Amino acid sequence: AQSVAQPEDQVNVAEGNPLTVKCTYSVSGNPYLFWYVQYPNRGLQFLLKYITGDNLVKGSYGFEAEFNKSQTSFHLKKPSALVSDSALYFCAVRGVYNQGGKLIFGQGTELSVKP
Amino acid sequence: DAGVIQSPRHEVTEMGQEVTLRCKPISGHNSLFWYRQTMMRGLELLIYFNNNVPIDDSGMPEDRFSAKMPNASFSTLKIQPSEPRDSAVYFCASSPVSGANVLTFGAGSRLTVL
Repeated sequence: AQSVAQPEDQVNVAEGNPLTVKCTYSVSGNPYLFWYVQYPNRGLQFLLKYITGDNLVKGSYGFEAEFNKSQTSFHLKKPSALVSDSALYFCAVRGVYNQGGKLIFGQGTELSVKP
Repeated sequence: DAGVIQSPRHEVTEMGQEVTLRCKPISGHNSLFWYRQTMMRGLELLIYFNNNVPIDDSGMPEDRFSAKMPNASFSTLKIQPSEPRDSAVYFCASSPVSGANVLTFGAGSRLTVL
C-alpha cells in the first residue's frame, strides 16, 4: 500500500532563512513523488515532481526537493524563505507500477514565514 | 484553458437533503479524481476515473455517496442523504493518463451540512 508521512503539522521560519518541509513515503517499487501547495480558499497547485534521474529536483518559486531512496524521503527546501511562501504544503506519492492510478497525499504541513 | 471547473463553490444545506457537486475537467485529460479535505482527515481520495470508467471507489465513505462521469467533460459527486459529518471541501482534479503526470485541481466546493 502507498502512504505518505509529513511529520510536522507546522513549520515556522523567519523570512530570509532556509526552510525544510519533511516528507517520507512508502510504496511498492519506485515512486513518483510530488509537492503541491495550497493557499487559503484555493485548490492545490503543483510545485515540483521527481520521476527519475537527478535526486535534486527544482520547481516553481525557488523551491527544490531532494529524493533520498535509502531514507525513503523527499524533503522540500528553499534557501531563503519569503512571507508569501506561507501556505499549506502537501507531499504526494504514486507507485511507478500504478499507472494512471492513485495519488496519495500526506496530511499537509502548514508553513508560516514571519517577517 | 480555464482549468478544472467546479460548481457550486459553496453549498449550505440541511441534513437529509441531496447534494450534487459538479466538475468539468481540462479538455484532453483522461483521468478525473474526487478528493475530500477536512481538518481531521486531511485530503482523502474518494474515487477516480480513467476514460470515464470508475477505477477505484474504495475511498467512497458509504452508499450515500455516488459519482458518475457520463462523458469526458463532466462528472458529478452526489450525496444522498447528506449528514453534518459530510461537511468538507470537495476537490475535483484531472490529469492525462499516465503515472508521472501532474494533477490539476479545481478551486473546490465547500459543503456545509447543518
